[in-house]
Amino acid sequence: SSELTQDPAVSVALGQTVRITCHGDSLRTYYASWYQQKPGQAPLLVIYAKTNRPSGIPDRFSGSSSGNTASLTITGAQAEDEADYYCNSRDSSGSHLVFGGGTKLTVL
Amino acid sequence: QIALKESGPTLVKPTQTLTLTCTFSGFSLSTSGVGVGWIRQPPGRALEWLALIYWDDDKRYSPSLKSRLSITKDTSKYQVVLTMTNMDPLDTATYYCAHTGPAVRGWDFDFWGQGTLVTVSS
Repeated sequence: SSELTQDPAVSVALGQTVRITCHGDSLRTYYASWYQQKPGQAPLLVIYAKTNRPSGIPDRFSGSSSGNTASLTITGAQAEDEADYYCNSRDSSGSHLVFGGGTKLTVL
Repeated sequence: QIALKESGPTLVKPTQTLTLTCTFSGFSLSTSGVGVGWIRQPPGRALEWLALIYWDDDKRYSPSLKSRLSITKDTSKYQVVLTMTNMDPLDTATYYCAHTGPAVRGWDFDFWGQGTLVTVSS
């Protein structure tokens, strides 16, 4: 399968922990990455190779994976974390990329 | 520092061919492991990966759009060009180019352009 499935929307209270998930058969073989996108802005890579954070990304962002599910966890969500989050990985062939449908995170 | 910028027409007619140019700085597409990809996003919708070209001219295309896409590079000009044939109103989207490299496995995009909105309409 070449699909990655995400919940359309998730909410979290300010300062609490939230997990955003991504499901897909290819995740059993290939690592996921995660992008944050705020309105009117280009996406920003926040997690790559399942657990790695690029320079400048706060350590409240973390990634994990189990079976066909990859997760992005925000520990102590901040107001500025309100955004759309997209998972990304290779498809089952390993030769192409695919994005999930995105999750809109609301920080209450 | 790495920067990318997309350029091209903002309006194309149905059935026309779209040509977009990504002009970049701060890296070379002759460096091992480096690549430039194209991703699009229709208004209010999700990201969609289109194509990716590597330093060694390895090219990858979205299977669903492969017949309509072509990606090329001009290393000396620091440019990557994406062409998409037979444009349709459903291709209306913001088109982004982005950098990948060894630091992010050669598959993830750590630097993005600002995007360019392309509208397909007669």
